[in-house]
Amino acid sequence: EVQLVESGGGLVQPGGSLRLSCAASGFTFSNYEMNWVRQAPGKGLEWLSYIGLSGSNIYYADSVKGRFTISRDNSKNSLYLEMTSLRAEDTAVYYCARDRGASGYFPNWGQGTLVTVSS
Amino acid sequence: DIQMTQSPSTLSASVGDRVTITCRASQSINVWLAWYQQKPGKAPKFLIHKASTLEGGVPSRFSGSGSGTEFTLTISSLQPDDFATYYCQHYNSYPWTFGQGTKVEIK
Repeated sequence: EVQLVESGGGLVQPGGSLRLSCAASGFTFSNYEMNWVRQAPGKGLEWLSYIGLSGSNIYYADSVKGRFTISRDNSKNSLYLEMTSLRAEDTAVYYCARDRGASGYFPNWGQGTLVTVSS
Repeated sequence: DIQMTQSPSTLSASVGDRVTITCRASQSINVWLAWYQQKPGKAPKFLIHKASTLEGGVPSRFSGSGSGTEFTLTISSLQPDDFATYYCQHYNSYPWTFGQGTKVEIK
């Protein structure tokens, strides 16, 4: 069974940094492209970033470009999101989502981790 | 960026009703559209890709159609488990974007 488990969320001050992790199991992690998607409280879904199999192909939404960095460690079956210069509007539940063959849609999601940016 | 607009934002319906949600793209996305269902406090559940291809395990009362800029998600006979928020998402080009969501609530 595919499992994606996010961790690393919490309360951080504006301007601060946080690193999210997503532990994958139940499938061969190195064979799948991965993504981060977030959802602000009471709002819709926002795709943030994509990373290819080896980490060489990476894309970001404009809202996080230059502040967030996606990475992966295939030896640890893990996906990461390094977030810097955090703003109040980054407050959201952050989901990792598995791609299907670099398709761009997301058949599998983690349960999410909440990031709150507040002083 | 391609903007996705769903209508209506909220839909009140009864069990057994036929329900249709519309998703419009600001430019042509061919058939590169997915649909998701989300219940409060839960991660989205993947329903449909390529505008009309039902994911395995999704009940056949769900169907999708459309191409270009206009798409629909139809639930042929609404069941109690279907009350949720539905999102469309294009994957034609980066950045991938979602519609704002349609909440299907009990009438």
